[in-house]
Amino acid sequence: DADVTQTPRNRITKTGKRIMLECSQTKGHDRMYWYRQDPGLGLRLIYYSFDVKDINKGEISDGYSVSRQAQAKFSLSLESAIPNQTALYFCATKAPPNNEQFFGPGTRLTVL
Amino acid sequence: QKEVEQNSGPLSVPEGAIASLNCTYSDRVSQSFFWYRQYSGKSPELIMSIYSNGDKEDGRFTAQLNKASQYVSLLIRDSQPSDSATYLCAVKGGGADGLTFGKGTHLIIQP
Repeated sequence: DADVTQTPRNRITKTGKRIMLECSQTKGHDRMYWYRQDPGLGLRLIYYSFDVKDINKGEISDGYSVSRQAQAKFSLSLESAIPNQTALYFCATKAPPNNEQFFGPGTRLTVL
Repeated sequence: QKEVEQNSGPLSVPEGAIASLNCTYSDRVSQSFFWYRQYSGKSPELIMSIYSNGDKEDGRFTAQLNKASQYVSLLIRDSQPSDSATYLCAVKGGGADGLTFGKGTHLIIQP
């Protein structure tokens, strides 16, 4: 079984809709991250969490919110989706004590 | 703003040759450096990490770090067609806990 899973894997939605992307991990890591990847722009950090009570904004948090429901679960929400949020979204976890991050399979989101 | 720069390529290398991928970074306090491989439509896969100046070897891969020059490189020896992918350089600097990624270099190994 995969250590980091993401659901859904693909989603098409319409402008203005609320959507939630979910991430679960069985690695037992405390730290979890959400990134988005756009062609020509690389991966950019949206939010990260040290634990259930510690949520932090990344480089591009506007238009997004997150929830850390448990150590193993970290969800990303788009309250009112817009077309420029069309991207590939990745969840990642970090292994202590170094900074190595391990990525989930990604969610391809299209906002029409 | 922290930046990580890579040549986007494509970099074309004959099978069996050495592929050399380069990366520069702007944040002088950066301490951790990573190379990820990403196949089209797939997630990034960690292939090398390096934390101190010098070379680090793992199988056919060698990472090189020069903090004074703010430069990281990845060498792939005996390149195989399966090495064809986009290679992402990532840096953990000061400030936010996440990684800063370069835009990636597209590597093509020609049979």
